[in-house]
Amino acid sequence: DIVLTQTPLSSPVTLGQPASISCRSSQSLVHSDGNTYLTWLQQRPGQPPRILIYKVSHRFSGVPDRFSGSGAGTDFTLKISRVEAEDVGIYYCMQATQFPPLTFGGGTKVEIK
Amino acid sequence: QVQLQESGPGLVKPSQTLSLICTVSGGSITSGGYYWTWIRQHPGKGLEWIGNINYSGSTNSNPSLKSRLTMSVDTSQNQFSVNLTSVTAADTAIYYCARDYGRGRLIDLWGQGTLVTVSS
Repeated sequence: DIVLTQTPLSSPVTLGQPASISCRSSQSLVHSDGNTYLTWLQQRPGQPPRILIYKVSHRFSGVPDRFSGSGAGTDFTLKISRVEAEDVGIYYCMQATQFPPLTFGGGTKVEIK
Repeated sequence: QVQLQESGPGLVKPSQTLSLICTVSGGSITSGGYYWTWIRQHPGKGLEWIGNINYSGSTNSNPSLKSRLTMSVDTSQNQFSVNLTSVTAADTAIYYCARDYGRGRLIDLWGQGTLVTVSS
């Protein structure tokens, strides 16, 4: 199975400042169809996860444009340009290139300083 | 809009079978070509994909759970379900149902989740 490693484990951020989360894969996430199936999820406290970004950089409907995804191959990044209070939670990367199974990163906690 | 709701016992005894149902409301389980998915989250931990099923009964399963896993769909009730046999304390988790456009590439809708505790 593909292993996804997220860093940092925790990211204390000042409101209005940027945050960045890294996701590194044990294998290339480029699928034979040319797409890279790397998704970012947000889980607010007490809530189910919700999708933010799919296929590395495609923002899902309704997701604020302060969230952006980038990367290629085995290294990916989620950036929040200006953190707001509602962004507090745990962020997960997820791969679907080598399926089954889907696998997830261990999560990064974003909290306000 | 489409919503998902998990239901089932919150407490299961060790060695018994965990059974959960996900009810799809606001849309038909047969439309859109979706795969209907189960994901779990151990308390305070990360996410684990269990498997998925489409409306015709085609399934994909996590190899780590496959020997204990059964999934089914009931189109007349607009529901899908999961059974996990021979449970242990390691199966204690929040179980989520979700909607997947296919092969995990876009999981766009999640239920609220239900906590299942395995304990005697």
